[in-house]
Amino acid sequence: NAGVMQNPRHLVRRRGQEARLRCSPMKGHSHVYWYRQLPEEGLKFMVYLQKENIIDESGMPKERFSAEFPKEGPSILRIQQVVRGDSAAYFCASSIRQTSYNEQFFGPGTRLTVL
Amino acid sequence: KNEVEQSPQNLTAQEGEFITINCSYSVGISALHWLQQHPGGGIVSLFMLSSGKKKHGRLIATINIQEKHSSLHITASHPRDSAVYICAVERIQGAQKLVFGQGTRLTINP
Repeated sequence: NAGVMQNPRHLVRRRGQEARLRCSPMKGHSHVYWYRQLPEEGLKFMVYLQKENIIDESGMPKERFSAEFPKEGPSILRIQQVVRGDSAAYFCASSIRQTSYNEQFFGPGTRLTVL
Repeated sequence: KNEVEQSPQNLTAQEGEFITINCSYSVGISALHWLQQHPGGGIVSLFMLSSGKKKHGRLIATINIQEKHSSLHITASHPRDSAVYICAVERIQGAQKLVFGQGTRLTINP
């Protein structure tokens, strides 16, 4: 039973390019969370999705960032027109979440570097 | 002020020592998580608890809901325990997302 998978593990982009980060949740998990860890800072919530629905995007920057979790396939975090300040580690986590008891399983992260 | 505060921020100890990392929070929560982040960056969930105490191997986590405080203990510490330990809470209100402490960087010297 594979864990949460993220790809790519490392991504280098030039300013102005687009970055697409993928997250495949654990088998049977239908809830996905994206978190960002800026250099030398703690983890911060970005967005919470269920299949085909964005539940909470209160941590997403208002511009350039979007996320989806389609019926089929992985969840995608998309960053348009990247800037140097987007350089960070992006983690996704998944859970079953049938009650408020919400154990989240983390992926290995994608380290985005913007040149 | 952060909703989740950890102490100490950095901790260096000798192999074999008993380690305690503290976490205080200021909001009503439904659960508290302890996570471990290794130098390579991967994050592992150690504990999730909403009351009392849990033990796994040399790790023990406790929580006092009335005092809004949790502790993570490591007995017989080992250099391989060197990592960043992160406390995170799920708020009762505003639900499912985790709110993280800043982490405690633990170094165990042989």
